[in-house]
Formats: sequence, structure tokens, C-alpha cells
Amino acid sequence: QVQLQESGPGLVKPSQTLSLTCTVSGSSISSGRYYWSWIRQPAGKGLEWIGRIHISGNTNYNPSLRSRVTISVDTSKNQFSLRLNSVTAADTAVYYCARVPFTIFGVARGFDPWGQGSQVTVSS
Amino acid sequence: DIVMTQTPLSLSVTPGQPASISCKSSQSLLHSDGKTYLYWYLHRPGQPPQLLIYEVSNRFSGVPDRFSGSGSGTDFTLKISRVEAEDVGVYYCMQSIQLPITFGQGTRLEIK
Repeated sequence: QVQLQESGPGLVKPSQTLSLTCTVSGSSISSGRYYWSWIRQPAGKGLEWIGRIHISGNTNYNPSLRSRVTISVDTSKNQFSLRLNSVTAADTAVYYCARVPFTIFGVARGFDPWGQGSQVTVSS
Repeated sequence: DIVMTQTPLSLSVTPGQPASISCKSSQSLLHSDGKTYLYWYLHRPGQPPQLLIYEVSNRFSGVPDRFSGSGSGTDFTLKISRVEAEDVGVYYCMQSIQLPITFGQGTRLEIK
């Protein structure tokens, strides 16, 4: 059974960097068969795709966040990580990591599974 | 970005009655490979979203057959034939044909 689990600080000060890690079990990040993604949900709002990484090192980010986001992977720990710089209160959200397969044309398919989510609050 | 528009934003349904959610995309989700990249998720309170339907009409593993998806191009529908109490939550449509991946605003389903 594939499981993903987010971890990281629940409170980040404004202007600082939000850092989260997603630990994957039951599936090898190195297999190359999936994108590994981050998605967030601000309180009372909908879902926002943040970005994704493939083991090849290829990354794609939402243009709305691209200047502040970095997603990386650590194959030795079977983890991937999110860094979001210069955070503000607008970055307060539940952050999810998720696995997504892709077609031979590189198109992502459905996100499954998802981690349980990690609440991150930006406040001084 | 492809804009996904869901209607209604909320609905209240009596158990055993049907429910229907519409999702319209600002661009066609039909790829040259013949697949249409439209997905449906259910986000139950306190849980992560779960995949219900992939590529318009395919039920994901373990999803009850009371859930069905249909549509093409830019217009899509999720139907629940007989709503049960466990169906409460927020339903999202999502497109992945073009980056950034985008979601609809969500439709909140409650039980009467």
C-alpha cells in the first residue's frame, strides 16, 4: 500500500521560507513512473496545484508561485520536498503531497494517493 | 490557465435521491492522444481528497458504481445515482491537459 506523509513546521514567520517534506512508502520515487506533486488549500478556499518533480530532475511549477517555489527529491530517503520563499499570510494553507502517473505524452493523470495534509500557518 | 467552473457551488440532497454536478472548462480537454483529461475528486472533512473518476468517465478503484462521469470537450458532469450519508464533502473537477493543473471551485454536498 502506497502512503505519503507530509512533515515540517506548522508555523512560519512572514518573509521566511516554508519547508515541507513528503516521505513516500510502498512506492519508489526512483521508479520514474510518476510525478511527485504538491497541492495546497487555503482555509475556506479550493485546491491549488503548486508544482511537481520527476526523478529525472524535471520540475514544473504553477506560474503564480514559480518565482518562490523549489521542489526537490532525495532518492536515498525516498522523499521529496517543497520550499516556498518569502511567505505571507496568503500562504497559510493545508499542504498536500501526492503521486501522479503520466502518459507517454507526459500528461499527468489523477492524483493518487495523497498525504494526509500538513497545516502551515504564516504568522509572526 | 484553463479555468474550471463548477455549478452548483452547493447542494443539499435527501438520502437515496440523485445528485448532479456540472464542470465546464475554458478550453477543450481533449488531447491529440484521444484521451480527455478531466478528473473528479471528493474531499471529505478531515481527509485528503480522493480520486473518484479519471478521464471523464472511468471510476477509480474502489469507487461505488453509484458515481458516474460523463461529458466531452469542455462540458462534464458527475452524477450520484443515489446519495448516501458518506458522500458528504466537497467535489472538485480538475484538468491536467495543460499546465498549470487547475481545479474547479468545488461543490459542497450536504445531506438533508
